[in-house]
Amino acid sequence: EAQVTQNPRYLITVTGKKLTVTCSQNMNHEYMSWYRQDPGLGLRQIYYSMNVEVTDKGDVPEGYKVSRKEKRNFPLILESPSPNQTSLYFCASGRSLGNEQFFGPGTRLTVL
Amino acid sequence: AQSVTQPDIHITVSEGASLELRCNYSYGATPYLFWYVQSPGQGLQLLLKYFSGDTLVQGIKGFEAEFKRSQSSFNLRKPSVHWSDAAEYFCAVEWADSWGKLQFGAGTQVVVTP
Repeated sequence: EAQVTQNPRYLITVTGKKLTVTCSQNMNHEYMSWYRQDPGLGLRQIYYSMNVEVTDKGDVPEGYKVSRKEKRNFPLILESPSPNQTSLYFCASGRSLGNEQFFGPGTRLTVL
Repeated sequence: AQSVTQPDIHITVSEGASLELRCNYSYGATPYLFWYVQSPGQGLQLLLKYFSGDTLVQGIKGFEAEFKRSQSSFNLRKPSVHWSDAAEYFCAVEWADSWGKLQFGAGTQVVVTP
C-alpha cells in the first residue's frame, strides 16, 4: 500500500531533550516536506527536500533540522525542544512541482 | 509577499444544502492551487487541484472549484452536503517561481447539521 508513515504518533517530552520524528514513504517520491499545524494558523512548512541531499527552509525552520540521506526517509530533528514547538506535525511526499502531496497520519508532540 | 487567505474560519451548513468555501491568494507568479480536506483525527487528503486549462475543476466526493484569475480566488463548492463532509478544509498554493514551497490557508471548519 502506498503510504507515508511517521513515528512516533504521539510524544510527550521535556524541554531540551533531543528528539527525532521519522518519516518514510514507499512511493519513490523525490519531494518530501515537513509541516506543523497549529489552531488558527493552518499548516506551515518547516523544511522541504527536492531530492537526496537537497533540503531547503520553509516558512518556520527555526529550532528544527532535517536530513535526506535516502530517498525514502526524511527525519525531523529537534535538538533542544521548547514548549512553543508543541504542535501536530505532518510529513508529506510528492512527485514534482504542482503535484499532489501525500500526507502522513501526523505526530502530536507535547514539550513540557 | 505571498499569502493565502480563507476568510471563513467556521461554517455551519444543513445536510443537503449547498456549500461554498472561499480562498484568495496574493502574489504575482503563476499559482498551482489545491484544496485538501482533513477529517477529525486524520491526515490531509487532496480534493482537487488546478494548474491550467479549464477554470472549473472537478474533484473527489462531489466537490468542484473555480479559478478566477481576476479575483485571485479559488473557491470550493458542493451542491449538496452530506454529514460526512464535516471536516476542516484547507486551500493551498504552490507558486511556479518557488517550487517546493506549499503555502496553506488557515483552514475553514465545516459543521453539518441534520
